[in-house]
Amino acid sequence: DTGVSQDPRHKITKRGQNVTFRCDPISEHNRLYWYRQTLGQGPEFLTYFQNEAQLEKSRLLSDRFSAERPKGSFSTLEIQRTEQGDSAMYLCASSPRGGNTGELFFGEGSRLTVL
Amino acid sequence: EDQVTQSPEALRLQEGESSSLNCSYTVSGLRGLFWYRQDPGKGPEFLFTLYSAGEEKEKERLKATLTKKESFLHITAPKPEDSATYLCAVYPSGGGSARQLTFGSGTQLTVLP
Repeated sequence: DTGVSQDPRHKITKRGQNVTFRCDPISEHNRLYWYRQTLGQGPEFLTYFQNEAQLEKSRLLSDRFSAERPKGSFSTLEIQRTEQGDSAMYLCASSPRGGNTGELFFGEGSRLTVL
Repeated sequence: EDQVTQSPEALRLQEGESSSLNCSYTVSGLRGLFWYRQDPGKGPEFLFTLYSAGEEKEKERLKATLTKKESFLHITAPKPEDSATYLCAVYPSGGGSARQLTFGSGTQLTVLP
């Protein structure tokens, strides 16, 4: 098992373009989370999936953001009409059923730069 | 609203020079406090969970402690490979979801050889 995998690692886009990030969690983990981190700050929660169901969304997740987890496996986070304020590291994490729900296994992140 | 404040923002130590990092929190009811380590360009890596005042956890040169208002991460005789940003996080209190960790801004630790 290679841990949580995220793709792409880096994305540079122009304002107004759409971008999509993919996350492959650890295979036996049914819980999946997306967080956003800006420079010098801690991660901020965006959304949470249990299997294929999106159970929670932060107020930070505007209607330009959408996340999916079809079949409860990989997940995608799409940002439409990107703005410069969307520039950040987007972190995916997973955790197992019944585990310590504060122990998240994070991927290496997808860094987004909006020009 | 839950708040997590970490201090100092940055800390430079000589190899072998022990010190402590602080995480103070404001929650109406603590359901768990967590420490993570983050290396540059990487995602955070889980270190410890603390649930109640007086609890302590240890791992190699690190020891985490918890009081009713704050947590400390003690680093004994650090080595250069301990250089990283250390983050603490709490579960939201009240009716908040246990899925939404609230992180502090972290302490950037540099250990010089």
